[in-house]
Amino acid sequence: DAMVIQNPRYQVTQFGKPVTLSCSQTLNHNVMYWYQQKSSQAPKLLFHYYDKDFNNEADTPDNFQSRRPNTSFCFLDIRSPGLGDAAMYLCATSTGLGEKLFFGSGTQLSVL
Amino acid sequence: GQNIDQPTEMTATEGAIVQINCTYQTSGFNGLFWYQQHAGEAPTFLSYNVLDGLEEKGRFSSFLSRSKGYSYLLLKELQMKDSASYLCAVRGSDSSYKLIFGSGTRLLVRP
Repeated sequence: DAMVIQNPRYQVTQFGKPVTLSCSQTLNHNVMYWYQQKSSQAPKLLFHYYDKDFNNEADTPDNFQSRRPNTSFCFLDIRSPGLGDAAMYLCATSTGLGEKLFFGSGTQLSVL
Repeated sequence: GQNIDQPTEMTATEGAIVQINCTYQTSGFNGLFWYQQHAGEAPTFLSYNVLDGLEEKGRFSSFLSRSKGYSYLLLKELQMKDSASYLCAVRGSDSSYKLIFGSGTRLLVRP
């Protein structure tokens, strides 16, 4: 089945230690997104790629970076995780901007 | 500014009908989505409205009134598995067509 896959499902890192979250898709969608969701809050868009064009949200901290080496893969790098970065990180794809989102199962990040 | 309001929590009984409301004030509007999210899992798509009126899909229906900035999700014949959060998301009309999510309504279905 075509899908969006995130690894790992749970990630534990130490305060200040860089961490990378992975997302892959078999849907061949043009757009890939990274959302941060804290408990009982709305998903917050961090950035998105339309093909290779990177779009950063104005309020996304510089601590968060992303890479999309090809259509299928997208990575979220957190350079120096703080305690406030503990959250669920959701990867999503869509055929075009603003179209229906297909989400991966998410990575729950804990920062110790 | 962008603002999407939903009730924080609702409780309903198995077999009953529940309506979850969403009001929005956004700088532009180009469609509204409803997503279901079970605890600890990713959101899944339920419905999409861009024109006024009711869209029915099985036990779930979604209504939109653009003039009132208002939508609701109607769940019929509630089942225990419907216990989840329901997220309303509005698509803006700027060039990014970004989705703005509400904080979600946590629905608890009781026997």
